[in-house]
This record gives sequence, C-alpha cells and structure tokens, in this order.
Amino acid sequence: QKEVEQNSGPLSVPEGAIASLNCTYSDRGSQSFFWYRQYSGKSPELIMFIYSNGDKEDGRFTAQLNKASQYVSLLIRDSQPSDSATYLCAVNPNNNDMRFGAGTRLTVKP
Amino acid sequence: DVKVTQSSRYLVKRTGEKVFLECVQDMDHENMFWYRQDPGLGLRLIYFSYDVKMKEKGDIPEGYSVSREKKERFSLILESASTNQTSMYLCASSLPFGTQETQYFGPGTRLLVL
Repeated sequence: QKEVEQNSGPLSVPEGAIASLNCTYSDRGSQSFFWYRQYSGKSPELIMFIYSNGDKEDGRFTAQLNKASQYVSLLIRDSQPSDSATYLCAVNPNNNDMRFGAGTRLTVKP
Repeated sequence: DVKVTQSSRYLVKRTGEKVFLECVQDMDHENMFWYRQDPGLGLRLIYFSYDVKMKEKGDIPEGYSVSREKKERFSLILESASTNQTSMYLCASSLPFGTQETQYFGPGTRLLVL
C-alpha cells in the first residue's frame, strides 16, 4: 500500500462547478496535511495546509480532514479554467519528512 | 518571499558522465530536499538534509549522492549518469517540520541522459 494515495484522474469538471479531490494516507500518526498545485512544466506550489479534523476554508478552496478515516480532501468551488493543473496531496508523518501522492490531474472545461 | 533556485532548467548528459545539480535557498532554512518526479510515480525523495554536513537517505538514493557544505546550498550528484535517471529533479527547502511548516520548491531541472 502506498503511503499517500490519490486518484490519478483525469478529473474533468465544467467551469463554475465544484471539483472534489481526494487523498488517503496510511500513517495514522500523521499530523499535518498539505495540498499543492502543479501546473504542467512547473514546480509544486502550496495551496493549503490542515492539521485539525474538520474543514478549513480559504477563498474558493476548502480542505477537509478526517483522521479517523485517514482521509483528506480538497474542494474547489466555482472552478475556473486556470485551476486546471495537477493537485498533489502531501503528508508529514514524522516531523522530518514529507510524503507525496502521485497527484490528480484536474481539467476545468470552459 | 522564499526563493529556491536551481542551477539549470534543462540538462543533457551522456551515460557515464558525472552530473552536478545545485540548489540554493535564501531563507535560512534548515531542511533541504532532493526529489525526482516521473509521470505516474509522483515525487520521490532521493535525499534530504536537516543541517549543514548532515544527510539522510530518502526512498531512492541509489546512484545518487549529496553534499551540504553551507546551509543555503544543497547539491545532488549523479556519480555515473544512466538513462533511467532521466527525470525532473526538484529541490525544496523548509524550516524544521512542526505543524506549521511546508516545503518550498525550486523551478526544477529537467535532465535527459542519452
């Protein structure tokens, strides 16, 4: 089992819709969770981080964490074509390292 | 703003060559990392360093070595490049991990080994 798993996609949503990206992790002791966006040919950039169970909102983005289910998600409301990218889920399991999922490719169609 | 720079955006090398990839960060970060990214495999950690002259193996250290002589600089060395080392190489830096910190990435080096 991979440490961090994501559906590779591609996930396609129409402009204005909600995009839902999911991630599961295997290390139950993980404390912090991150979502990165990576445009084609570019390096990852941080969108959000979350450490507590529940929801965390930042503009059009909402991160959701359920530690009991070892599940973290990212919702993008009012999706825009500029949101088309690969989204990487990352987990910090032990304070010295970061583990990344393979990423989900999102396409927002005008 | 955190700035992480990498010495080259694109490199073409021949099999057997020794290759140096350099990474510099300007935010006094303790931690520095080298990843490679391949389609379908995501980011895989090669080595990381949490202090000057300290290094730890990541998931795929074979065929690679690193050097950290100064806090701001972390070098990745391919001792004898092979075609299966063709990849995108990403450097990152961070403060010591707690619950607040994340990694900041450089622009990446796309390496082609012929």
